[in-house]
Amino acid sequence: ELKVEQNPLFLSMQEGKNYTIYCNYSTTSDRLYWYRQDPGKSLESLFVLLSNGAVKQEGRLMASLDTKARLSTLHITAAVHDLSATYFCAVAIYNAGNMLTFGGGTRLMVKP
Amino acid sequence: GAGVSQSPRYKVTKRGQDVTLRCDPISSHATLYWYQQALGQGPEFLTYFNYEAQPDKSGLPSDRFSAERPEGSISTLTIQRTEQRDSAMYRCASSQLAGGPSEQFFGPGTRLTVL
Repeated sequence: ELKVEQNPLFLSMQEGKNYTIYCNYSTTSDRLYWYRQDPGKSLESLFVLLSNGAVKQEGRLMASLDTKARLSTLHITAAVHDLSATYFCAVAIYNAGNMLTFGGGTRLMVKP
Repeated sequence: GAGVSQSPRYKVTKRGQDVTLRCDPISSHATLYWYQQALGQGPEFLTYFNYEAQPDKSGLPSDRFSAERPEGSISTLTIQRTEQRDSAMYRCASSQLAGGPSEQFFGPGTRLTVL
């Protein structure tokens, strides 16, 4: 059974600071996704990581994937209040219908 | 359509009643997924469709849950004899390719409350 774990579950940080969210998964995966969810809203796709060593950046967010360690990270640089949201990683296995197995989410609060 | 839509957005029902939730995927998308998201947790897979076929329904919590996609487009999720533990956000997602890996786009969800 595929398991996906995120940490921390809750993160409170000051604007301007850097921090990293970690996502570990238990079995070989075909791709890893990062989603953002604002309160009461749907899930917004941030990144899709396809291969070992993949790195993608968008603004203050950078995601990376280490398939050997079964680890993905989401790094936040110089956080701003607008980044406050819940971030989920999700893992897909192609031969299993490509359904997503989600981590528990990291609730990020960026204080002014 | 421009995105995945779901209806109703909110549903309050009494324990023991049946409810049906609807998902309208992006029009060109072959694959449709249903997920259940409890408050404060990540979505959990329920079932999916490739066009009208339903290859996997292993995530459905019990036989009270069923889903259909008879014409390969709109899908419904029905919960019979609802219980309080069924209260959750039900999310639908669609993706373009059948049987292959492609990005999933999520709808706004239906918030179900069972009293």
